[in-house]
Order: sequence, then C-alpha cells, then structure tokens
Amino acid sequence: GAGVSQSPSNKVTEKGKDVELRCDPISGHTALYWYRQSLGQGLEFLIYFQGNSAPDKSGLPSDRFSAERTGGSVSTLTIQRTQQEDSAVYLCASSLGLAGSRSYNEQFFGPGTRLTVL
Amino acid sequence: AQRVTQPEKLLSVFKGAPVELKCNYSYSGSPELFWYVQYSRQRLQLLLRHISRESIKGFTADLNKGETSFHLKKPFAQEEDSAMYYCAPKPTSGSRLTFGEGTQLTVNP
Repeated sequence: GAGVSQSPSNKVTEKGKDVELRCDPISGHTALYWYRQSLGQGLEFLIYFQGNSAPDKSGLPSDRFSAERTGGSVSTLTIQRTQQEDSAVYLCASSLGLAGSRSYNEQFFGPGTRLTVL
Repeated sequence: AQRVTQPEKLLSVFKGAPVELKCNYSYSGSPELFWYVQYSRQRLQLLLRHISRESIKGFTADLNKGETSFHLKKPFAQEEDSAMYYCAPKPTSGSRLTFGEGTQLTVNP
C-alpha cells in the first residue's frame, strides 16, 4: 500500500497566521511521530502518538504548537501565530508501535511539509 | 541528559575510499542504536540497527559500549552513497528516537 503521506507539501504563510499540517500514516500503524528538520538543527522530535493518545509531547517547542490524532489514523499538527523561526520541514513518521514492548518497529517517514513563514 | 553527537556535519571522500561516519551517544541504560539515511529528494529511511548486526549496502556499524560510540563504516564508498546520515539512539523503554544533527556525506568520482 501507500506510504506515509503529508499535506501540503509546501506552505508559505505570513507571520502571525495559523497553519495546519496533515499526516496520513500507513494503514495499521498505531504509532505516529512528528519531527521538525531545520538547517543546522538536525531532526528534532516534537510529539509521539500511540493510537489517539500522546504519551510524549515533550518536544513541542511552545504552547503555539499542538497536535491531535483522530480515529487512530490521521494526525494534524497546528501552529498558531506562526513565527519566522517556525520555518522548517515538518516530518511525520509512523510505525507498528507495540506499546510497552522492547522491540523496535521501524519508523516510516513521509515526504515532509516545507513551511516558510515570511 | 540523553545526547547524541555526530561531530562531522560534512564529510567528503573519493569513490573507492573507506568512509567512517562518527556517532557518540550519552544515554542511561542500554539504548538501541540506529542509522537512518536520506538520499537527495527521497524520504528518510532506516539504514541499519545495531541489534541485527547486518550489513546494508556495504555499511556496518559496531556498537562500542565502552566508548559509547556507534560509528558507521564502509570500506569502499560509492557515489550513490552520497546522502545525509543520521545516528539515532532509542532508550530501552519507549519508542522515541533522538536523532543526531546528521552528517552530509559526499562521495566524489
């Protein structure tokens, strides 16, 4: 089947506007992750979902950032009152996500959404 | 604090030369270690994991617990190996990966 998809692929917005980024994980994957990829910053973890719950949201940089997941599938990452420093590529990944298991399930990444805040 | 360091942001070698991408980590317990790779205009993808002890595309990585390192090596680099490489430890509990800042490898003809 299809891999992880993200939309939009590119988003240009003005400072102060809100944006919503969408992630469609691989069907059957219960774990979903959001990362941010910035120049010189590498890959920064934002939030992790297991099902519809977010047991780890410690990477969200400020309260302007929020994310939700519904139906154990699609997730949206919302950034309110965007700032120029929010400009980055936002990556989503999903995995089989066996909660509490020591085994690792490979994370499959989407193509990313490139956000530019003017 | 949990930390992963990839000291080289850029690494350039000639085709056929050996290549080593360094990764050092600071983690409590016994983390699992992974290398992810992102080729130009492609998605980030898993390259290899230390527990499988496998060689993927000629790359190997040995976990050195004493030195807390997980360097990625290939004896003879190829031009198609040019990509961004990320080292990523994962704690023994939980699913979260912590990625290093990445090393951009360029293999010149």
